[in-house]
Amino acid sequence: DSGVTQTPKHLITATGQRVTLRCSPRSGDLSVYWYQQSLDQGLQFLIQYYNGEERAKGNILERFSAQQFPDLHSELNLSSLELGDSALYFCASSVEGGGPYNEQFFGPGTRLTVL
Amino acid sequence: GQQLNQSPQSMFIQEGEDVSMNCTSSSIFNTWLWYKQDPGEGPVLLIALYKAGELTSNGRLTAQFGITRKDSFLNISASIPSDVGIYFCAGRPPRSNYKLTFGKGTLLTVNP
Repeated sequence: DSGVTQTPKHLITATGQRVTLRCSPRSGDLSVYWYQQSLDQGLQFLIQYYNGEERAKGNILERFSAQQFPDLHSELNLSSLELGDSALYFCASSVEGGGPYNEQFFGPGTRLTVL
Repeated sequence: GQQLNQSPQSMFIQEGEDVSMNCTSSSIFNTWLWYKQDPGEGPVLLIALYKAGELTSNGRLTAQFGITRKDSFLNISASIPSDVGIYFCAGRPPRSNYKLTFGKGTLLTVNP
């Protein structure tokens, strides 16, 4: 158990819908990262928040957005869902903003299925 | 963007055998990480490497940071059934604290 929690574990929805994935980082970690894992693309970095502020953006679609709240939990919002958005979504956290000796610890993931 | 080539894609071995897998890149990295992912779970950090040439062990696992800074190797000795899973390498490029590039993984199957 990494100490990172994610809810829900599984999510099944229809195309065009909107969903929210939730992540609570390890106690003491200030940084949260979101990743998408699909069979053909592997693990793709989406976005990072550090202490409530957006720190870095990766391959995140405009239909997706995220935020980190004052209690440091984070939510990833996915809207206008398409079949191709079906994937595992992972949250990771680290103590600081990342970097050597501040590695990322991953949560168990949310499996999103879009029908 | 930077790409990591991880090989082999999959391995089928007998319990007790040693395993080797590697990652290569056309760009240099300042950090190499190895993660393991069990089915239905998130990746778990196994070993972190921060210096070219560094050799680090974690139990039966040994990983090395290539001296060119463009590759890394992971060896598992005397494999056991619970070693089954997907092993990912990840690299952190220079001047980036957050960005990790992941390989596509090596699926390891261990036959008892």
